[in-house]
Amino acid sequence: EVQLQQSGAELGKPGTSVKLSCKVSGYNIRSTYMHWVNQRPGKGLEWIGRIDPANGNTIYAEKFKSKATLTADTSSNTAYMQLSQLKSDDTAIYFCALQGLLQWWGYFDYWGQGVMVTVSS
Amino acid sequence: NIVLTQSPASLAVILGQKATISCTASESVNKFGINLMHWYQQKPGQLPKILIYNEFSRAPGIPARFSGDEAELNFTLTIEPVEADDVATYYCQQGLTFPLTFGAGTKLELK
Repeated sequence: EVQLQQSGAELGKPGTSVKLSCKVSGYNIRSTYMHWVNQRPGKGLEWIGRIDPANGNTIYAEKFKSKATLTADTSSNTAYMQLSQLKSDDTAIYFCALQGLLQWWGYFDYWGQGVMVTVSS
Repeated sequence: NIVLTQSPASLAVILGQKATISCTASESVNKFGINLMHWYQQKPGQLPKILIYNEFSRAPGIPARFSGDEAELNFTLTIEPVEADDVATYYCQQGLTFPLTFGAGTKLELK
């Protein structure tokens, strides 16, 4: 069974950074693209970016290029996203999502449970 | 960026009847003859789940009550017959180009 286990809720002050983790079990992340998606309170889904854990290559949505940094550790089968210069607008649920390399069609096979990031002073 | 316009924003359906959700893409999402349009279900407080990929292919374990179709950049998710467990928000998503984009969502409720 494939599971994506995300780290716990975060409370960050404006101007600081947080680093979220997404540990994958049941699937080797070297054979995936790992994506991150956010969902602001009461709103829809928004794609942040993707990392290829096998080589570290990343693609970001334009608005997140200076906000999010995606990394991955294949030895621990874990993907990470750091959010920097936090603002109140970054308050959201952040999901990691797995796209298996067996499919090139760009959909998300599995999702993490999501982690709430709250930005408040 | 490819813009996906979903309608309606909310939908109330009688148990056992049909629900139809539309997603119109601003440009083609076709590659090698495959429409890279996907549908997800998100129940309140839960993570999204893939329902339909590549316009009409059901993901593993998804019942035949869920179906996808396309006509001239207008993609449709149909649920028939609607069951109580289908109360959720449904999103379309294109997988053709970056940034990957979602529709705004359609909230399905029971009438």
